[in-house]
Amino acid sequence: GESVGLHLPTLSVQEGDNSIINCAYSNSASDYFIWYKQESGKGPQFIIDIRSNMDKRQGQRVTVLLNKTVKHLSLQIAATQPGDSAVYFCAETLSNAGGTSYGKLTFGQGTILTVHP
Amino acid sequence: NAGVTQTPKFQVLKTGQSMTLQCAQDMNHEYMSWYRQDPGMGLRLIHYSVGAGITDQGEVPNGYNVSRSTTEDFPLRLLSAAPSQTSVYFCASSLDTANTGELFFGEGSRLTVL
Repeated sequence: GESVGLHLPTLSVQEGDNSIINCAYSNSASDYFIWYKQESGKGPQFIIDIRSNMDKRQGQRVTVLLNKTVKHLSLQIAATQPGDSAVYFCAETLSNAGGTSYGKLTFGQGTILTVHP
Repeated sequence: NAGVTQTPKFQVLKTGQSMTLQCAQDMNHEYMSWYRQDPGMGLRLIHYSVGAGITDQGEVPNGYNVSRSTTEDFPLRLLSAAPSQTSVYFCASSLDTANTGELFFGEGSRLTVL
């Protein structure tokens, strides 16, 4: 999971394995959560999101799980590939009455995922 | 479709110098924002804008100014650079609809202040 500090958590997996990246978010009022992937030298890229009225959402090879009781978010990547190697960030936000976040996200520290062939 | 374009990609400044990081998007997004990323840390929000003529402070606004004269452009100004502003800066844009957690980021501008 993510924690405060200068050294990012790391996860090393073999190609084809499933990966689980964890995140503890900070604000119990947050109602919208997003996972981003950042490859070296690039900007973050959206992976998947989930609203607080859900506890699970699936995408292509990815699943996000939300546990509001313990303020925990996880990203599961099925059949991990070398191209999945990157830093993964969770982000949280509190939407306004219209459901928008104005682009104001609070990011976690990040987790480095390394996939070995 | 260029998406979000940031310039310059790299810049070295001396303490006290000023400069502007440029950001332009061609997706007609209403929302734009600036984040900084420091080693071992996630992105932190500096300033954001919900539309032309409207800006507001984020988590770490001190030392930075912004303006939004058009929908497309959102420059970030450092009036008197300090070593603490050495960082990678990311500009992002998003739509003004529900579920706008999908920010579209530029490639980043790496700034070093000596």
